[in-house]
Parts: sequence; structure tokens; C-alpha cells
Amino acid sequence: GQNIDQPTEMTATEGAIVQINCTYQTSGFNGLFWYQQHAGEAPTFLSYNVLDGLEEKGRFSSFLSRSKGYSYLLLKELQMKDSASYLCAVMDSNYQLIWGAGTKLIIKP
Amino acid sequence: GAVVSQHPSRVICKSGTSVKIECRSLDFQATTMFWYRQFPKKSLMLMATSNEGSKATYEQGVEKDKFLINHASLTLSTLTVTSAHPEDSSFYICSARDTDRGDTEAFFGQGTRLTVV
Repeated sequence: GQNIDQPTEMTATEGAIVQINCTYQTSGFNGLFWYQQHAGEAPTFLSYNVLDGLEEKGRFSSFLSRSKGYSYLLLKELQMKDSASYLCAVMDSNYQLIWGAGTKLIIKP
Repeated sequence: GAVVSQHPSRVICKSGTSVKIECRSLDFQATTMFWYRQFPKKSLMLMATSNEGSKATYEQGVEKDKFLINHASLTLSTLTVTSAHPEDSSFYICSARDTDRGDTEAFFGQGTRLTVV
């Protein structure tokens, strides 16, 4: 079957760095996405990785290792507004998105 | 990026009535749109894939007679929750990809919070 695993909840301190991991097992692979979702709102796109390596975009970076079925989202210089759920999703061979359950990130002052 | 508009953002309806949710791609044509349901503190659950000009493809366990999907044009898909019951209360989200541009990113509507009383 298809499976996406990510931690349920993480806590970090304002100004610090946090890494949210995601491991996956899917039927085929056409890219991995990270989305941010604030409570009561729809997800917003953060990053897309289809090749191995690190993609940096401002305070957020995303890493992918296809051979290991592993990705992480790195958030630097954490701000209170970064408190949200972070969803990992993999596009399978049918170009459908398979979603992880999301990681709730709590930022403390 | 591309814009997907979903309406209404919130709706409260009485048990037994039907509710229609619209999803529009504003600046691109979407031959395929996706409808998701999200329970509190849970991830997105794909309900169905909406195909322009043909029948929607429903995921296993989703009642097609209860969740009617119509994709009459390249920019509009609708989800109608028929004979709604309190257990249908949820957050419904649509998304679309601009496949003509070869985009892989899915753009989401704002979501609809449905409460059935």
C-alpha cells in the first residue's frame, strides 16, 4: 500500500531552527510537496522536490532523497506565525497526491 | 501562481437539505479538479477526481449518490452534498492543476466549512 509518515506534533522556540521529516512508500514517484496549513484554512504551497538534494527558498528549505524515500522541511529563524500544520504529499505514478497526516508545529516565545 | 476560487467559504444547513459548493479556476483551464474532505486534526482525504465533460472518479468508500460532482466547463466544478446529515459536517477543499502549462503544483480553493444542524 501507499504510506506517508511524518511526526504528529513538534514544538520549537521562536528564532530557532526546526526540521520536519517525512518518509514515504508510494506506487511510483512524480515529486514531493510540502504545504503549510493554518487552522481553518486551505493548504498553501511551500515547496516541490523531484530530484535529490536541497531546495532553498528564503527561511524554508526542503530536502529529498529518492533512494531512501525521505524528505525533510527545514524552517529557520522561526516566527510565531510559522505555527501551523505542515503537510507532506507525494505525487504517485498516476499523478495523484498521497497525503501525510500533517505535523502540527507549535512555536513558543 | 494560478488562482482557484471556492464558494461559499462557510455554510450552515438543516439536516435533509442539499448544499452546492463551487470551485472555479480563475486564470487557467482545469480539465481535472480534485475534491477533498478534511476532518479535524486529520489530513486531506481525496473524495473524487472531477473530469471536465465526463463522470467523476470516486475514491473507495465515497458515496457517489450523496456527493454529486459536476464538471460542466473547463473552469468550474461543483460538489453537491445531497440530503445532508450532521456527520457530513466537515471542511471541503477543491484543488486544480494547470496541466496545460505542465504544472505539477496543485492550487487550492479557500475551502468550505459545512455545518449540518
